[in-house]
Amino acid sequence: SQTIHQWPATLVQPVGSPLSLECTVEGTSNPNLYWYRQAAGRGLQLLFYSVGIGQISSEVPQNLSASRPQDRQFILSSKKLLLSDSGFYLCAWRHYGYTFGSGTRLTVV
Amino acid sequence: SQQGEEDPQALSIQEGENATMNCSYKTSINNLQWYRQNSGRGLVHLILIRSNEREKHSGRLRVTLDTSKKSSSLLITASRAADTASYFCATDDSSYKLIFGSGTRLLVRP
Repeated sequence: SQTIHQWPATLVQPVGSPLSLECTVEGTSNPNLYWYRQAAGRGLQLLFYSVGIGQISSEVPQNLSASRPQDRQFILSSKKLLLSDSGFYLCAWRHYGYTFGSGTRLTVV
Repeated sequence: SQQGEEDPQALSIQEGENATMNCSYKTSINNLQWYRQNSGRGLVHLILIRSNEREKHSGRLRVTLDTSKKSSSLLITASRAADTASYFCATDDSSYKLIFGSGTRLLVRP
């Protein structure tokens, strides 16, 4: 069956620390993968998407980067977190509709 | 950037009533999708309507699409307390990016 995994569920990190959030998909090959961020009480903002290994498109300038080292793995990173990076991060996989991971709530303190 | 704008931002109804949420968008689309999000959780895909479709049903959900007005509506009939959630519309264009609106927070009072 096709599933998407995202971890960790919750993360508290100090300002200036690095970040690595991982998303993996099972049961499909060559998926289109996406990273979204959701501020409290708001809609989702598209951060990055990838249509294949090593192919990353960035939607907004920011302190974050993404990488796709394997077909079914999508990683969101930062070298130095800012307070404004706090939010709810969602990974998604596109097929007929989109399937979302369960999200990571990041609090930068 | 946000493509869709939902209306109303918040809606409170009594259990058993119908709930209608509207979405407007700005550019041409391949399809429009509606998602549900329970508090602090991931999004769940509800229904997809293609640009050449005008109406679609799924259980208690009814979605309409008017491409001339660039708008869509989601109707939930016979609402239940368990329908309490945030609902988002999202547009899918030829660039394969899904762009979300700001959402409608629905509260169904038992």
